[in-house]
Amino acid sequence: AQTVTQSQPEMSVQEAETVTLSCTYDTSESNYYLFWYKQPPSRQMILVIRQEAYKQQNATENRFSVNFQKAAKSFSLKISDSQLGDTAMYFCAFIYSGSARQLTFGSGTQLTVLP
Amino acid sequence: DTGVSQDPRHKITKRGQNVTFRCDPISEHNRLYWYRQTLGQGPEFLTYFQNEAQLEKSRLLSDRFSAERPKGSFSTLEIQRTEQGDSAMYLCASSSAGRRSETQYFGPGTRLLVL
Repeated sequence: AQTVTQSQPEMSVQEAETVTLSCTYDTSESNYYLFWYKQPPSRQMILVIRQEAYKQQNATENRFSVNFQKAAKSFSLKISDSQLGDTAMYFCAFIYSGSARQLTFGSGTQLTVLP
Repeated sequence: DTGVSQDPRHKITKRGQNVTFRCDPISEHNRLYWYRQTLGQGPEFLTYFQNEAQLEKSRLLSDRFSAERPKGSFSTLEIQRTEQGDSAMYLCASSSAGRRSETQYFGPGTRLLVL
């Protein structure tokens, strides 16, 4: 079974600065997808970025980018030019690309962007 | 393209009562998932439907829990004889069967409080 670990329960960053959130995972599979989801306070879970394990190129979405290190089983999220609206709980998640359909989530990192 | 919707958004009930939640997925999505999220934790998988067929159930889904998706569109999650430990956010997600089928989109959740 796969596990996802987020070792930073809380982080803070000054507005306009850059912050990196860490995620490691454990799996014996070679084909899978990784995600970062954002959950603002009292609001719904929003997909931030996705990464296919078979792609070596790191995914980017505007101010969000990942550092995917498959051999190290590491999947960190970098947020550039942090904005107040980035304040949220961030979850790293894994899904096997075979028949299993469930997402496995980490415990989350609460990010606070300070003015 | 409307997103995933859930109803009700909040539910307060007394221990021992039955509750039912509804989820309407994104219209063209034939896959539907239920997750449970307790405070400060990542969501945990409960069950998964492809069309009307329930294909996976977690061990978290005790006998008191039942989920249906009778016509392959909306889904209901019923909890019978609620217990205080059932207090949580219940999240629904959906995904398509085709390209990017591994990417799940979440609804706003139903927050359940059992007194």
